[in-house]
Amino acid sequence: GENVEQHPSTLSVQEGDSAVIKCTYSDSASNYFPWYKQELGKGPQLIIDIRSNVGEKKDQRIAVTLNKTAKHFSLHITETQPEDSAVYFCAASMGEYGNKLVFGAGTILRVKS
Amino acid sequence: DADVTQTPRNRITKTGKRIMLECSQTKGHDRMYWYRQDPGLGLRLIYYSFDVKDINKGEISDGYSVSRQAQAKFSLSLESAIPNQTALYFCATRTPGNTEAFFGQGTRLTVV
Repeated sequence: GENVEQHPSTLSVQEGDSAVIKCTYSDSASNYFPWYKQELGKGPQLIIDIRSNVGEKKDQRIAVTLNKTAKHFSLHITETQPEDSAVYFCAASMGEYGNKLVFGAGTILRVKS
Repeated sequence: DADVTQTPRNRITKTGKRIMLECSQTKGHDRMYWYRQDPGLGLRLIYYSFDVKDINKGEISDGYSVSRQAQAKFSLSLESAIPNQTALYFCATRTPGNTEAFFGQGTRLTVV
């Protein structure tokens, strides 16, 4: 079936430490992998995405890595800050022409100051 | 104004009632989606539409129906609401291809 598994479900880190969230997807044809951040009372917002022709992408303190062979991708946040506290979702494109985004179950990240 | 607007933002309804959630967008995107969010289950796809004449079921379409009234409007209906449809509902839009999805602010629905 079409699914994305995401771990861990909750993650607590000390301010300044790094946070890593991992996802595994089922469809080997998936070629687009976005990450979304959801703050309380808001809709998810894209923070970074990666396409299958790239193994790693960075944007300031955020990076995403992709291993297509293993069907794994991960989000790395360095030098975490209290404002990074939120729910994070990974997703993978699936279906005909990748028209559907299938989401993981989400990770609640708490950054303790 | 928000690019993707959902109404209402909150709704409490009784079991067996029909309810409609509305979504409108100003981004000019062809593709529109309805997702349901439950704690620990992430965002699950209910229905999606690529244009006014193209409606597709997602993974959890039972108990729901949709209407694409125009390119900019996509409504989700619960014909006879039941308590396990209590959830946070999100509308999203995308352009074709591997592109970002833009989400509305969500509708919190409670069925009592």
